[in-house]
Amino acid sequence: DAMVIQNPRYQVTQFGKPVTLSCSQTLNHNVMYWYQQKSSQAPKLLFHYYDKDFNNEADTPDNFQSRRPNTSFCFLDIRSPGLGDAAMYLCATNRGTSGTNEQFFGPGTRLTVL
Amino acid sequence: GQSLEQPSEVTAVEGAIVQINCTYQTSGFYGLSWYQQHDGGAPTFLSYNALDGLEETGRFSSFLSRSDSYGYLLLQELQMKDSASYFCAVRANTGGFKTIFGAGTRLFVKA
Repeated sequence: DAMVIQNPRYQVTQFGKPVTLSCSQTLNHNVMYWYQQKSSQAPKLLFHYYDKDFNNEADTPDNFQSRRPNTSFCFLDIRSPGLGDAAMYLCATNRGTSGTNEQFFGPGTRLTVL
Repeated sequence: GQSLEQPSEVTAVEGAIVQINCTYQTSGFYGLSWYQQHDGGAPTFLSYNALDGLEETGRFSSFLSRSDSYGYLLLQELQMKDSASYFCAVRANTGGFKTIFGAGTRLFVKA
């Protein structure tokens, strides 16, 4: 089945220790998104790619970086995690054409910062 | 920028009908989406409105009025499994495929 996969599902890191979260998709979608979601809050868009074109949100901290080496994979790098970065990180895809604008979400990676 | 407003909580009984409203402000507008999210799960897509009017998908319907910057999600024949958070989301005409989510409405369905 076509899907969005995130690894790992749970990640524990120490304060200041870099961490990389990964996302892969078998949908062959053009657009990939990274969202941060804290408890009882909305998913907050960090950045998104249309193919290789990177779109950063103005309020995304420099501590967060992303890479998309090919259509299928996208990575979120947190260079120096702080306690405030503990959250669920959601990857999503979109076909990238006009239409329903449906986003397909992965199961998320829950990040704990000690 | 973009902003969306929706009620934080709604409670209804099983079998009832509930409407979740969403108002938005955006510098450009493509469409309004609705997502459902159960505790511990990922958001799942419910509906999308780009044009004024009502879209119906089974028990769920979504409405949009572009002139009023307003939409709603209508859930009929409520079931216990409908207890979840519901997010409206705007795709803005700011380039790319940027989508901004509202804060979410927590729906509690009681027996």
